[in-house]
Amino acid sequence: DIVLTQSPDSLAVSLGERAILNCKSSQSVLYSSSNKNYLAWYQQKPGRPPKLLIYWASTRESGVPDRFSGSGSGTDFTLTISSLQAEDVAVYYCQQYYTTPLTFGGGTKVEIK
Amino acid sequence: EVQLVESGGGLVQPGHSLGVSCAAAGFTFGHHALSWFRQAPGKGLEWVGFIRSKAYGGTTEYAASVKGRFTISRDDSTSIAYLQMNSLKTEDTAIYYCSRARGGTTTFFFDHWGQGTPVTVSS
Repeated sequence: DIVLTQSPDSLAVSLGERAILNCKSSQSVLYSSSNKNYLAWYQQKPGRPPKLLIYWASTRESGVPDRFSGSGSGTDFTLTISSLQAEDVAVYYCQQYYTTPLTFGGGTKVEIK
Repeated sequence: EVQLVESGGGLVQPGHSLGVSCAAAGFTFGHHALSWFRQAPGKGLEWVGFIRSKAYGGTTEYAASVKGRFTISRDDSTSIAYLQMNSLKTEDTAIYYCSRARGGTTTFFFDHWGQGTPVTVSS
């Protein structure tokens, strides 16, 4: 199974500052024939279902604010929130869809400093 | 507007069975794979399994932790997906979410999620 390790476990950032969340995969999720990374990012607020933010590692889902961006390739990925807003307080998960079983990272909790 | 509404969760004794359903609206149900996930209290997200669209054989795949005990099915005529859970264990206690798949033919990411239905396995 592909293991996704997210870091840090939690992150406190001041309003308006940048938050950088990491996701490391135990094996590459880059599919060579398509040159696409099979990695997505989700945001989950308390008591709510997950919300898709990013897919193919760097494609922003429709309606997601452009302060959210995804980057990386192969085994190392980053979700960046360029200017943290109060409504961004949540747990963020990465998910690989390179192969089954589909797996998630353990999550990074983002809070306001 | 895409909507997914789970129902059927509840309290069940270990070793017993429970079926939950996911009613969909706002999109062409038969064109999409559907997946089930769960989240134990205070824990992260866990994939349970998915069912592909009929165009891709309607085949299913499951996590090892539920394979042989859980069955996912779909009724495209009513836009409902089902999760039948047998031989339930206390560790199956979680909120169960259904979601709509996008992305590919063999594996997927998930762009719409239901609100979830709670399942508690306890004596």
